[in-house]
Amino acid sequence: KQEVTQIPAALSVPEGENLVLNCSFTDSAIYNLQWFRQDPGKGLTSLLLIQSSQREQTSGRLNASLDKSSGRSTLYIAASQPGDSATYLCAVRGGAGNMLTFGGGTRLMVKP
Amino acid sequence: GAVVSQHPSWVICKSGTSVKIECRSLDFQATTMFWYRQFPKQSLMLMATSNEGSKATYEQGVEKDKFLINHASLTLSTLTVTSAHPEDSSFYICSARTSGASSYNEQFFGPGTRLTVL
Repeated sequence: KQEVTQIPAALSVPEGENLVLNCSFTDSAIYNLQWFRQDPGKGLTSLLLIQSSQREQTSGRLNASLDKSSGRSTLYIAASQPGDSATYLCAVRGGAGNMLTFGGGTRLMVKP
Repeated sequence: GAVVSQHPSWVICKSGTSVKIECRSLDFQATTMFWYRQFPKQSLMLMATSNEGSKATYEQGVEKDKFLINHASLTLSTLTVTSAHPEDSSFYICSARTSGASSYNEQFFGPGTRLTVL
């Protein structure tokens, strides 16, 4: 059974810092990996989708990398802003049912 | 990206009543829709997967008679919480995947529905 772990569970940084969120998964037989953002009481917003054949994806200040063989992904946020404060969820797709398995999330607080 | 809507965004009901939550894919057809439940400060837990025109597949531990799922069209799925109790209070999120069997199909999420059972 696929297990997805995110470290750290919570992170507080001053505005302007570059930061890295980590995601690891136990079964490397995945189709793709997605990073989501969730604001309190809201649904999920997809940030980046990396296919299993890709190594990284970039969108603005966000860069996500994927090392499928080692079961790891990182989300890099450059020049963090208070508006980046949210919970970031990593999810991998795979398995017989082609299902998404979520990590526990990282709660990010960027202080002005 | 594609848009998924949910209605209502929040609902308060009395214990013992039933509540229906709608999930719609607004600008694409979704052969597969998913229902998740999320407790405070926890991640999403998949409850069930529904394919248009067929019965939903429930995850282990999810009572199918309590959480009725209907996926009658390619753009609409409903979740009915029957005889709701306070422990059913939670944040329910639906998701829709674009048509086709490709593993590259992205999954899009609705804004969630906050259910509070008194």
